[in-house]
Amino acid sequence: DAKTTQPPSMDCAEGRAANLPCNHSTISGNEYVYWYRQIHSQGPQYIIHGLKNNETNEMASLIITEDRKSSTLILPHATLRDTAVYYCIVRGRSGYSTLTFGKGTMLLVSP
Amino acid sequence: DTAVSQTPKYLVTQMGNDKSIKCEQNLGHDTMYWYKQDSKKFLKIMFSYNNKELIINETVPNRFSPKSPDKAHLNLHINSLELGDSAVYFCASSQGVATGELFFGEGSRLTVL
Repeated sequence: DAKTTQPPSMDCAEGRAANLPCNHSTISGNEYVYWYRQIHSQGPQYIIHGLKNNETNEMASLIITEDRKSSTLILPHATLRDTAVYYCIVRGRSGYSTLTFGKGTMLLVSP
Repeated sequence: DTAVSQTPKYLVTQMGNDKSIKCEQNLGHDTMYWYKQDSKKFLKIMFSYNNKELIINETVPNRFSPKSPDKAHLNLHINSLELGDSAVYFCASSQGVATGELFFGEGSRLTVL
């Protein structure tokens, strides 16, 4: 599975949009981009995933560039409870594909 | 009603002991996993089971033995515990092997003294 690169940390003011970037320049055509987050002392939580089209759900939006080499997770109105480590993961569809978690981005939402 | 539940939540034990962590999911999923998160916060897959069959074993020492009595349960037994086994162990489940949408438990923090 392709590797991803994320900034180690980001800050965001409460109520503003949080835009978390991810670089996955070696992604192959059948690999999906997944985003998870881990709030302190909790298990990881699935947020969203996509292949090539932009995706939106009740938690976030995922914007994938046309060449699929990078993506951005958008939390439209960040709250204090969104403070967490956010992981961008690239995964194939094979049963032998796994979620390989990197270091992620520590997002700190401040009042 | 917790979707993926693990017991115990905390476990403190001495080196050399044997311990088990239990996991149950009530989501009707076919696939279950064990992940380990060490002190540096890296989260790594250990095992994956699909319909009670082992499909992924990521070079984990054979002191670790997973057991899946049925699709809803995946237990982790650890023999001869070592200091380096101290970590948070997360159980997870998914609808099948093709999806990367996993549901994680709250974790079991194991401390080996």
